[in-house]
Amino acid sequence: KNEVEQSPQNLTAQEGEFITINCSYSVGISALHWLQQHPGGGIVSLFMLSSGKKKHGRLIATINIQEKHSSLHITASHPRDSAVYICAVQGGSEKLVFGKGTKLTVNP
Amino acid sequence: DAGVIQSPRHEVTEMGQEVTLRCKPISGHDYLFWYRQTMMRGLELLIYFNNNVPIDDSGMPEDRFSAKMPNASFSTLKIQPSEPRDSAVYFCASTRHGQGTNEKLFFGSGTQLSVL
Repeated sequence: KNEVEQSPQNLTAQEGEFITINCSYSVGISALHWLQQHPGGGIVSLFMLSSGKKKHGRLIATINIQEKHSSLHITASHPRDSAVYICAVQGGSEKLVFGKGTKLTVNP
Repeated sequence: DAGVIQSPRHEVTEMGQEVTLRCKPISGHDYLFWYRQTMMRGLELLIYFNNNVPIDDSGMPEDRFSAKMPNASFSTLKIQPSEPRDSAVYFCASTRHGQGTNEKLFFGSGTQLSVL
């Protein structure tokens, strides 16, 4: 069993919809990262969080340490949000363990 | 800053050849990471450096892979000899300081390696 599980694997939405991507992990962590990989392949770090919630524009990331669960929310989704969203957890070192990613497609 | 710079963007080589991938981290960043991404396994850490010193190379698949960081502004990942199963996208990433400092990770554009 992978240490980091993401759901759903694939998600299709209509422009304007509220989107939630989930990440569950099985080990103790010091931090959790959300990454965005564009169709061209480039990877951008969206959030790094260890507790609570962070917000940047239309993106919100939350984490519940006790439940070992994090969610990434996108409000008022737009076709340019189409990408693969990757959750990664960081334990007692700088090493990240990655989920398989959630492929999001937002249709106009 | 120009961001993390990787070269080449694409590399096509024949089995048995030596391949060298290059990375220039963001100036001032003291951690550098090499990752590999495949369809089957997703993203995996190969090795990371702190202040040019290799800290964890447990992800390096086998002795055919080696990585160096001779100075703070340059790192190489070498595969010798290359095999078709090494075909993947190799990413370099850097960050400033370490865990607990809320520093994001910055990725290069990646090197698409195809070993025929």
